[in-house]
Amino acid sequence: QSVLTQPPSVSAAPGQKVTISCFGGSSNLGKNYVSWYQQFPGMAPKLLMYENNKRPSGIPDRFSGSKSGTSATLGITGLQTGDEADYYCGTWDSSLNNFVFGTGSKVTVL
Amino acid sequence: QLQLQESGPGLVKASETLSLSCTVSGGSINTASYYWGWIRQPPGKGLEWIGSIFYNGYTQYNPSLKSRVTMSIATSKNQFSLKLTSVTAADTALYYCARSTWYFDSWGQGTLVPVSS
Repeated sequence: QSVLTQPPSVSAAPGQKVTISCFGGSSNLGKNYVSWYQQFPGMAPKLLMYENNKRPSGIPDRFSGSKSGTSATLGITGLQTGDEADYYCGTWDSSLNNFVFGTGSKVTVL
Repeated sequence: QLQLQESGPGLVKASETLSLSCTVSGGSINTASYYWGWIRQPPGKGLEWIGSIFYNGYTQYNPSLKSRVTMSIATSKNQFSLKLTSVTAADTALYYCARSTWYFDSWGQGTLVPVSS
């Protein structure tokens, strides 16, 4: 059972915007950076966002990240069918001394 | 371009030890800039961090697995390894190796390790 909670699924029409929330606590998101990972079926996860709101090279600016207090949000604008994937947040938990991943959210393009 | 590749037996029997290696190419693991970690994903489920190792052998393990996990690093071979003892069906998963700082920026393709009874 993860200490980071995400909605199981989010969906929107092509071209629209979706946001994925990640709720944690004072010992994890409240203290440390959040990162986000995109995972297509049968593939390894891929880093999508790091240090709350930084995009690795090659990640389009349609993807954005933010963090406030003990929650974080990943936003995807201009939604495309190619964005259909599972998305996970992750951070270090200073109390558990453990890197923790969120429960994961499946993005569906309607 | 950094590449990581997991290797190990395709099947492990319950109560035995799971052993995996990760070979890194396109960069050296003998660096103080990164940790080298293992993450697993049971079929159809989410990601779980197993542990990470530094170039000098310093390790951090998931407390829930700590009693069964040992990680090692062979800088001369540009490899690091995972051993998980006393496996059960609950340890059946895709096992990924990855490079990390505060986040995991490069991942191997993963290797599925079923545990048979």
